[in-house]
Amino acid sequence: EIVLTQSPATLSLSPGERATLSCRASRSVDSYLAWYQQRPGQAPRLLIYDSSNRATGIPARFSGSGSGTDFTLTIDSLEPEDFAVYYCQHRTTWPPLTFGGGTKVEIK
Amino acid sequence: EVQLVESGGGLVKPGGSLRLSCAASGFTFDYAWMSWVRQAPGKGLEWVGRIKTNAAGGTTEYSTAVEGRFTISRDDSKESLYLQMNSLKTEDTAVYYCATESGFYVKWWGQGTLVTVS
Repeated sequence: EIVLTQSPATLSLSPGERATLSCRASRSVDSYLAWYQQRPGQAPRLLIYDSSNRATGIPARFSGSGSGTDFTLTIDSLEPEDFAVYYCQHRTTWPPLTFGGGTKVEIK
Repeated sequence: EVQLVESGGGLVKPGGSLRLSCAASGFTFDYAWMSWVRQAPGKGLEWVGRIKTNAAGGTTEYSTAVEGRFTISRDDSKESLYLQMNSLKTEDTAVYYCATESGFYVKWWGQGTLVTVS
């Protein structure tokens, strides 16, 4: 089973700053990685799939990169609504959906 | 607009049963693989299981944590998804999300329903 490790656990930043979140897989997942955002009290929503493709309606300030075992979600110029928890997820043969532990982006 | 509305959550004693429902609209339900994902209070996301389309055999798959206790079913005529949960444990306490899969990613999520086992 592939394990996804997200870092840091918490990122303290100010609005307007850039956020860089990391997701590391225990072995190669090619480019089969997604990112989700979960705002407080809300359901998650898909941001990025296949490492770098933005989902429908996701602002351009969100970008994803990486392949193999190391992936990055970058949020350029944080907006107030971007302070949330972010999860990475890999599509595998088994279990089909595996999530990382999450990174909380909080207001500094 | 895609909508997934879960219902059926509540408080149940250990060893008890509960059936969750998810009403779907805004997309072609019978073409969609559907999943349940849960989130324990203050914790991360955990995949529970999925059901493929009837055209793909309606196959179900479950996480090892719930295999043998939970059953996922669908009624395409009602555009509804179900999760029958038996032999519930305290560690099953979570918000349960109904979700659609696309390309093995979770494309759409419901707002979730809270199940408390205590």
